[in-house]
Amino acid sequence: ETGVTQSPTHLIKTRGQQVTLRCSSQSGHNTVSWYQQALGQGPQFIFQYYREEENGRGNFPPRFSGLQFPNYSSELNVNALELDDSALYLCASSYRGQGDYGYTFGSGTRLTVV
Amino acid sequence: AQRVTQPEKLLSVFKGAPVELKCNYSYSGSPELFWYVQYSRQRLQLLLRHISRESIKGFTADLNKGETSFHLKKPFAQEEDSAMYYCALRPVNRDDKIIFGKGTRLHILP
Repeated sequence: ETGVTQSPTHLIKTRGQQVTLRCSSQSGHNTVSWYQQALGQGPQFIFQYYREEENGRGNFPPRFSGLQFPNYSSELNVNALELDDSALYLCASSYRGQGDYGYTFGSGTRLTVV
Repeated sequence: AQRVTQPEKLLSVFKGAPVELKCNYSYSGSPELFWYVQYSRQRLQLLLRHISRESIKGFTADLNKGETSFHLKKPFAQEEDSAMYYCALRPVNRDDKIIFGKGTRLHILP
C-alpha cells in the first residue's frame, strides 16, 4: 500500500509567478484535501476534491485553484504569488464511503516566495 | 463559527510526569474530534479519534460536550512523546473539512 506523495518537496518562486504542486493519493483513497500551514500555525483548509470536483473550500482567494484526475491524484495551482503564500502545503487523501474516513497526509511541499 | 483552540504553544514536562494537552472547540452541533501528532522530520499522522475510544501510545482523550473540550492525557510521559500535537474537529457532516488548532509543542525533559 503506497502512501501520499507530494512533489516537489521544496520550491522557490518570485512574487507574481504561478506555481503547481502535485499530490498522489494513497491507494484506495478517492478524496484529496489541501492545506496550507504557515510557520507556527496549524494546517488551514484550502479545498477538497472528490470525483474530480471541488467539494468544499476554505477562506482562500480564487487564485488558489485545483484539479483532481481520474486516478484521484491532484494538483494545487496558485496564481499571482504573494509573499504571504510562503508556507508548507499539505495534501491529505481519504476514502469517502463506508468505513473509516481518516486522513493520510503527505510530507508536504515547502513553498518560498521571494 | 467552527474553531479549535489549543491554549498552550509549548508544554514542557519531565519524563515520568503526567501530560495533559488542552483542546477546546467551538461548534454548534456534534463534531468528530481528533488528535494528530507530528514527530520531528515526520509527516502529520492521526493519533486518536474520540469515536474509537481507544488508547494509542498510552494517550487517551475524552470528549466533554458540556465543556466543549477534548484534552489529551497520558499518565507517564516518555521522551519519545516529544512532538507537535494538533487537535482537530470535523463537523457532523462527514464530508466536510477537518479544522485544526494551532498546535502544542510537547517537550519531554529528561
